[in-house]
Amino acid sequence: QVQLVQSGAEVKKPGASLKVSCKASESTFTSYYMHWVRQAPGQGLEWMGIINPTGGSTNYAQKFQDRVTMTRDSSTTTLYMELSSLRSEDTAVYYCAASSGYYSPYFDYWGQGTLVTVSS
Amino acid sequence: DIQMTQSPSSLSASVGDRVTISCRASQGISTYLAWFQQKPGKATKSLIYAASNLQTGVPSTFSGSGSGTDFTLTISSLQPEDFATYYCQQYYSYPLTFGGGTKVEIK
Repeated sequence: QVQLVQSGAEVKKPGASLKVSCKASESTFTSYYMHWVRQAPGQGLEWMGIINPTGGSTNYAQKFQDRVTMTRDSSTTTLYMELSSLRSEDTAVYYCAASSGYYSPYFDYWGQGTLVTVSS
Repeated sequence: DIQMTQSPSSLSASVGDRVTISCRASQGISTYLAWFQQKPGKATKSLIYAASNLQTGVPSTFSGSGSGTDFTLTISSLQPEDFATYYCQQYYSYPLTFGGGTKVEIK
């Protein structure tokens, strides 16, 4: 059973940085590419980027290129998404999602989501 | 970027009804299309990939069709657990993009 367990809700101030974690089982970590997707309140879904957990290579959406960093820790099979210079528009639920391929990146599994609120 | 347009944005239906949701891509994407389901408080569930292939464990009341720019998700007989919001997503090219969602509500 593939499980992606994300860290808990956070409240951040504008200008701060955010780091969300997504813990995967070992088999998931080595077999799947991991994506980060966000959903602002009442809004649609927005793809932020992808990381190859085994090699660490990444591909970020242009919109987030300057502010996002996706990393992984092989020792704990945990993926991280860090977003800097937060603003109110970054208030959203952030999801990790797993795809088995880079060139056919449909999501097989999703994390439960992490609510991030950016407010002064 | 490829724009994905879903219609309708919401619909009301009764248990047992046949429901159809449309998704249109701004350019041809072959069959590189997925559908998934969101319910409040529940993990997002992937339903279909490659336009018409059901993910493991997805009931056969769900089906998908289409290729190129026009796609359809059909629920042949709506069940109480199917009331949710449905999204399409293209994976023909990066950045991955999503439809705006269709909320299926109880009539």
